[in-house]
Amino acid sequence: EAEVAQSPRYKITEKSQAVAFWCDPISGHATLYWYRQILGQGPELLVQFQDESVVDDSQLPKDRFSAERLKGVDSTLKIQPAELGDSAMYLCASSFASGGVNEQFFGPGTRLTVL
Amino acid sequence: AQSVTQPDIHITVSEGASLELRCNYSYGATPYLFWYVQSPGQGLQLLLKYFSGDTLVQGIKGFEAEFKRSQSSFNLRKPSVHWSDAAEYFCAVGASRTGTASKLTFGTGTRLQVTL
Repeated sequence: EAEVAQSPRYKITEKSQAVAFWCDPISGHATLYWYRQILGQGPELLVQFQDESVVDDSQLPKDRFSAERLKGVDSTLKIQPAELGDSAMYLCASSFASGGVNEQFFGPGTRLTVL
Repeated sequence: AQSVTQPDIHITVSEGASLELRCNYSYGATPYLFWYVQSPGQGLQLLLKYFSGDTLVQGIKGFEAEFKRSQSSFNLRKPSVHWSDAAEYFCAVGASRTGTASKLTFGTGTRLQVTL
């Protein structure tokens, strides 16, 4: 069964350092999402790609976060510099269609701890 | 803007007992509703979804949910809980958008504990 892959699964870093997370969506899925989930809360959308284009980054802290999906396949989310408040689970999800309401398939997430 | 409220932060049930997790949504148009489950340290798995049609939706692992428009609710139920059902449950509403795929807005989740 096809799955969304994410790496690393866990990342510990010190504040002011740079971190990067990688996501490989299910093959053929046009839409890719990055969510941040703070402990005890639901996931919150950071950025949404349709193919290689960003279609929603309204909640992305652009002074320190960046995301790319250069070839419209896998994606990287970067934080530079990391802050203590960035400690959270970062989830990647993908969906097949580029329009309408679709099921989103989630990866296992990357747990980030900033010291 | 859409929103989801899950009023119960934590619920404890005995194995074999019935379960109902509450979800209320706010959305101006016809809602697209989802229930996801998250085991500790894991990603989210879809349990079931409602797009239209029959208001009682069957999902995986013996779960079902009922859409009630008059109450803006989409409660999740299971007649007999198993210890393996202990997890975090999230209700979400999907908003259709012009020219692009939907965005999901999640509730804060309900943590289910199952006692033996």
